Amino acid sequence: QKEVEQNSGPLSVPEGAIASLNCTYSDRGSQSFFWYRQYSGKSPELIMSIYSNGDKEDGRFTAQLNKASQYVSLLIRDSQPSDSATYLCAVRGAEYGNKLVFGAGTILRVKS
Amino acid sequence: EAGVTQFPSHSVIEKGQTVTLRCDPISGHDNLYWYRRVMGKEIKFLLHFVKESKQDESGMPNNRFLAERTGGTYSTLKVQPAELEDSGVYFCASSQRWREGRGSTDTQYFGPGTRLTVL
Repeated sequence: QKEVEQNSGPLSVPEGAIASLNCTYSDRGSQSFFWYRQYSGKSPELIMSIYSNGDKEDGRFTAQLNKASQYVSLLIRDSQPSDSATYLCAVRGAEYGNKLVFGAGTILRVKS
Repeated sequence: EAGVTQFPSHSVIEKGQTVTLRCDPISGHDNLYWYRRVMGKEIKFLLHFVKESKQDESGMPNNRFLAERTGGTYSTLKVQPAELEDSGVYFCASSQRWREGRGSTDTQYFGPGTRLTVL
């Protein structure tokens, strides 16, 4: 079983729709959860971080965390073609060395 | 403020050759990480420096990989001799503070990566 699992996609949504990206993780001791966006050939860019159960909103982005279910998601409202990218879920474990464990990423395509 | 930079952006070498990758973290960042993504797989942790010291090198695949961070500034990752399975994109990331007993919870900022191809 992979430590962090994501559906590789591609996930295709029409412009203006809500894109829902999901991630599950295996380490119950995980403390911190991150969503990075990566355009082709570019560096991963942090778009959301979440540390406690519930929802966290930032503009068009909402991260949702459920530690009991070991599940974290990212919602993108009013999706734009510029949101088309690979979205990487990353988890930081209980040990304070704080390396990130990544999922393989979900490719999102927003069609205009 | 300049971001994390990496050099070269691409490297193509023959099996058995040596390659050295360089990372310049954001100025003042204590923590420097190396990660690698091989084709079709997830980004995987290689090692973590706190200033000039190796904090965690549990992800280094074998002794053909040598990382250094002289003076706690830039870092190099040398692969010698390179094998076919070393091909991939090598990312460097940095984060700001390291607190003894607490580690670092700061955001990790990634560089653009070095694409290494071993033929």
